[in-house]
Amino acid sequence: DAGITQSPRHKVTETGTPVTLRCHQTENHRYMYWYRQDPGHGLRLIHYSYGVKDTDKGEVSDGYSVSRSKTEDFLLTLESATSSQTSVYFCAIGGGGGNQPQHFGDGTRLSIL
Amino acid sequence: RKEVEQDPGPFNVPEGATVAFNCTYSNSASQSFFWYRQDCRKEPKLLMSVYSSGNEDGRFTAQLNRASQYISLLIRDSKLSDSATYLCVVNGGYSTLTFGKGTMLLVSP
Repeated sequence: DAGITQSPRHKVTETGTPVTLRCHQTENHRYMYWYRQDPGHGLRLIHYSYGVKDTDKGEVSDGYSVSRSKTEDFLLTLESATSSQTSVYFCAIGGGGGNQPQHFGDGTRLSIL
Repeated sequence: RKEVEQDPGPFNVPEGATVAFNCTYSNSASQSFFWYRQDCRKEPKLLMSVYSSGNEDGRFTAQLNRASQYISLLIRDSKLSDSATYLCVVNGGYSTLTFGKGTMLLVSP
């Protein structure tokens, strides 16, 4: 399995609180991605990174920010969590150049009450 | 039009059956195609890449039809362990992938 670790694995928090999810890789891969997966919507890209300090928005970026200060770490932050952000969040590495597959972490189950 | 469309299923088949899934995509410029499988409450895992000439990996065969913009996955001699959701994936932009919502397969004894 690709060396990807997501933390925390589960989190329950309240509306309005800030939340940060971490993705850590040991593959030294340039590209990293954050997705959310919801019933009826499939996997949707939130943000991605193509290098240290280089990030771009995905399909559903509103309400989320990201940071990548080191190759191995990609952080996803919900500045003020809302119930609509209750979801399963997956980090992925790989891709890039459009012809390579991505490999996923185990996911983070986030519930916002 | 949705970018990647799949029949959500479920497809219910007995062990040993052959089953096929299709997927259509809207971006004619797409160059990379994959099938992933996802077990319940787990992460998606790469099943196989799909090449222009078609390709096979054991009991799994993938085909690409660029003219009609569809991809297929054929599973022969289905096993109970094949029960999962199968995701059709197409490259969206230069460095991003677009995922279909998945087709659920249930293999019964």
